[in-house]
Amino acid sequence: AQTVTQSQPEMSVQEAETVTLSCTYDTSESDYYLFWYKQPPSRQMILVIRQEAYKQQNATENRFSVNFQKAAKSFSLKISDSQLGDAAMYFCAYRSARGAGSYQLTFGKGTKLSVIP
Amino acid sequence: ETGVTQTPRHLVMGMTNKKSLKCEQHLGHNAMYWYKQSAKKPLELMFVYNFKEQTENNSVPSRFSPECPNSSHLFLHLHTLQPEDSALYLCASSLISGSSYNEQFFGPGTRLTVL
Repeated sequence: AQTVTQSQPEMSVQEAETVTLSCTYDTSESDYYLFWYKQPPSRQMILVIRQEAYKQQNATENRFSVNFQKAAKSFSLKISDSQLGDAAMYFCAYRSARGAGSYQLTFGKGTKLSVIP
Repeated sequence: ETGVTQTPRHLVMGMTNKKSLKCEQHLGHNAMYWYKQSAKKPLELMFVYNFKEQTENNSVPSRFSPECPNSSHLFLHLHTLQPEDSALYLCASSLISGSSYNEQFFGPGTRLTVL
């Protein structure tokens, strides 16, 4: 079974600065997807960024980028120019690319990010 | 209404009550999911429905009973719950296709408290 580990329960960053959230995962599969989800307080969880395991290029979405290290099974999220609206719980998630596991997202426990004005 | 909606947003119930959670998706998706989110634990997948057929049931106790009458609606029927069932219950939907990466869209959740 796959596992996802987020080793930082809480992080903080100054507004306009850069922060990196860590995520490692364990799998024996070679084809899979990785995701970062954001859950603001009392608001819906939304997808921030995704990465296909077969792609070597790191995904980027505006101020959000990932550092995907497949051999190390590491998938960190970098938030540049942090804004107050970035304050939220961030969840790393894994999904198989095929088979019964392709329906299931496996989540980490989350990292609570605070943004200091 | 757009996206994925859930009602009620908050629910308090006794252990002998019977209640239902409702989820509706307006995205034209064909798969729907129930997750349980407890404090300091990862989100746990409870049920998956693909084309209205249940495909996953991750050893969820029988006091939780899902119902999916069509691809847009999903219910979670609750009866004789325990205090440890108190949690945020999230509904999600996605479009299952051969070439899709199957992004899941989440509802706002129902905060359930069992007394």
